[in-house]
Amino acid sequence: GQQVMQIPQYQHVQEGEDFTTYCNSSTTLSNIQWYKQRPGGHPVFLIQLVKSGEVKKQKRLTFQFGEAKKNSSLHITATQTTDVGTYFCAAVTGRDDKIIFGKGTRLHILP
Amino acid sequence: KAGVTQTPRYLIKTRGQQVTLSCSPISGHRSVSWYQQTPGQGLQFLFEYFSETQRNKGNFPGRFSGRQFSNSRSEMNVSTLELGDSALYLCASSSVGAGGRDTEAFFGQGTRLTVV
Repeated sequence: GQQVMQIPQYQHVQEGEDFTTYCNSSTTLSNIQWYKQRPGGHPVFLIQLVKSGEVKKQKRLTFQFGEAKKNSSLHITATQTTDVGTYFCAAVTGRDDKIIFGKGTRLHILP
Repeated sequence: KAGVTQTPRYLIKTRGQQVTLSCSPISGHRSVSWYQQTPGQGLQFLFEYFSETQRNKGNFPGRFSGRQFSNSRSEMNVSTLELGDSALYLCASSSVGAGGRDTEAFFGQGTRLTVV
């Protein structure tokens, strides 16, 4: 079945360093979504990418959708302690509209 | 607008028992999905209901079942509980966007189930 691979599983960075998480699908996606889950909280929607090669920015966060619509990345510039949490990508296929979540990347910020 | 409400928030059950979890979606949302979250496995998709019909199903045993009512509220049932069923169970609702595709998912706070 459809697979969504997200790497890395864990990432420790010093505060102020950059961070990137990658999401790869075995099939072409109709769109991809990104969510953030703070420790003890529930996933919260960040953004949705629909177009091939799309790039969107939210302050220090940059989201990219690959040209082939099979991969995506989330890049955080100059991390802050408020960025701590797990970042999930969620792939939406065109066939059955199923939303498939990656396993997430847990970001830990070292002060 | 009220968010997604899950009840109960916490639950402790004994092996072999059964449990029913409830989810009230955001008003107007007809799609409700259930996920199991454990530390090692991330978010595992259980099933999705849309207009009282199961639209998609994950790879969980038949002990896991669900249903959706006409008001879009959904319940999830787990029978013959096993220790490994201990997890955070999250419900997410979404509306149907253009072309029939779901928009973003709004998650509830989850039900933390502990099986002892």
